[in-house]
Amino acid sequence: KQEVTQIPAALSVPEGENLVLNCSFTDSAIYNLQWFRQDPGKGLTSLLLIQSSQREQTSGRLNASLDKSSGRSTLYIAASQPGDSATYLCAVLNAGNNRKLIWGLGTSLAVNP
Amino acid sequence: EAGVTQSPTHLIKTRGQQATLRCSPISGHTSVYWYQQALGLGLQFLLWYDEGEERNRGNFPPRFSGRQFPNYSSELNVNALELEDSALYLCASSLYGGGGNTIYFGEGSWLTVV
Repeated sequence: KQEVTQIPAALSVPEGENLVLNCSFTDSAIYNLQWFRQDPGKGLTSLLLIQSSQREQTSGRLNASLDKSSGRSTLYIAASQPGDSATYLCAVLNAGNNRKLIWGLGTSLAVNP
Repeated sequence: EAGVTQSPTHLIKTRGQQATLRCSPISGHTSVYWYQQALGLGLQFLLWYDEGEERNRGNFPPRFSGRQFPNYSSELNVNALELEDSALYLCASSLYGGGGNTIYFGEGSWLTVV
């Protein structure tokens, strides 16, 4: 059974720091892994999607890596800003007929001015 | 281009009543997903529809049901509401729910059961 874990659960950093959020999953049979951002009381925004055959994806100050064999992904945020404060969730899409997104519980990020 | 839209934004119901939530996917998307996020908990998968058919459902009782219409919009119905059904219900859409497609979420519908 696929399980997704995100570490740390919460993170508080000063503005300008580079930071790394971690996501691990127990079953490497995935189609893809996706990172999302959730702002309080709102829906989710998709940040980056990494296919199982890819090693990383980049968008602006964000870089996500995927090591399928070890069941790990990291989201790197460069030069953090207060506007980056949100909860960051990762989700894996299981391979096979299941087609379920399995979610981590998220990392709550606070970037302090 | 319009994103995933959900209605209503907020809904207050009494225990035992029924709630209906609606979702319009991004134009061209055939897959619609429903998720529940109760306060303090992770997202829980509810239902996946594609091309008008239910493709998969999560571990929720049968009083959670839905459908997808020919225009790919979707409804989520929750019957016999219980207090613990109070949550944010998120709808998402994608091109066919295969492995290669990004999933886009709506803003969600807040359901409060009193």
